[in-house]
Amino acid sequence: AQKVTQAQTEISVVEKEDVTLDCVYETRDTTYYLFWYKQPPSGELVFLIRRNSFDEQNEISGRYSWNFQKSTSSFNFTITASQVVDSAVYFCALTPSGAGSYQLTFGKGTKLSVIP
Amino acid sequence: GAVVSQHPSWVICKSGTSVKIECRSLDFQATTMFWYRQFPKQSLMLMATSNEGSKATYEQGVEKDKFLINHASLTLSTLTVTSAHPEDSSFYICSARDRGGGLTDTQYFGPGTRLTVL
Repeated sequence: AQKVTQAQTEISVVEKEDVTLDCVYETRDTTYYLFWYKQPPSGELVFLIRRNSFDEQNEISGRYSWNFQKSTSSFNFTITASQVVDSAVYFCALTPSGAGSYQLTFGKGTKLSVIP
Repeated sequence: GAVVSQHPSWVICKSGTSVKIECRSLDFQATTMFWYRQFPKQSLMLMATSNEGSKATYEQGVEKDKFLINHASLTLSTLTVTSAHPEDSSFYICSARDRGGGLTDTQYFGPGTRLTVL
């Protein structure tokens, strides 16, 4: 069975602060993908990143960065210099990478509020 | 790329009527589409997995006769809520798995459909 835990239910930060969203996962699969999605108030889930379990390199994209640590089963997401537009619910998700296994297991989400 | 549309974006209907929601992958082919339901302030709950040309696979507890899914082509899946009741009111989101280009095994999500049953 797979499980994704996002322990932070809600976070509030003041604009321009950095913020890290935590994600811890459990899986028995040897190969898998990890994802982060953003859900703004409009409701649409926006794909942010996919990370293969083979690739433990951290990634940076603009103000976003992701820290994948297989040893601790964590895939944390940091927003640098947060902006009001970053306010949303962020979901971490996991799926096995084997053929036919495409279902996503989602965490419960972290609601981020960036205060101007 | 990887755009998924849903129609309608919101619908209000009377109890007992049926509602059809369409999910389309606009710029890629999707052999697999997924239907989720999301209650306020909660995570997404997978309802069913839809494969083009075959019957959908429903998650435990989801009534397949109530939530009819048709995946008629590589770019279109529909969800029909039959004989809708107020408890079916929810936010329904579809996703499509990119068949081969770009990031395979990545689900791209539609904008969602808010269903309100009076």
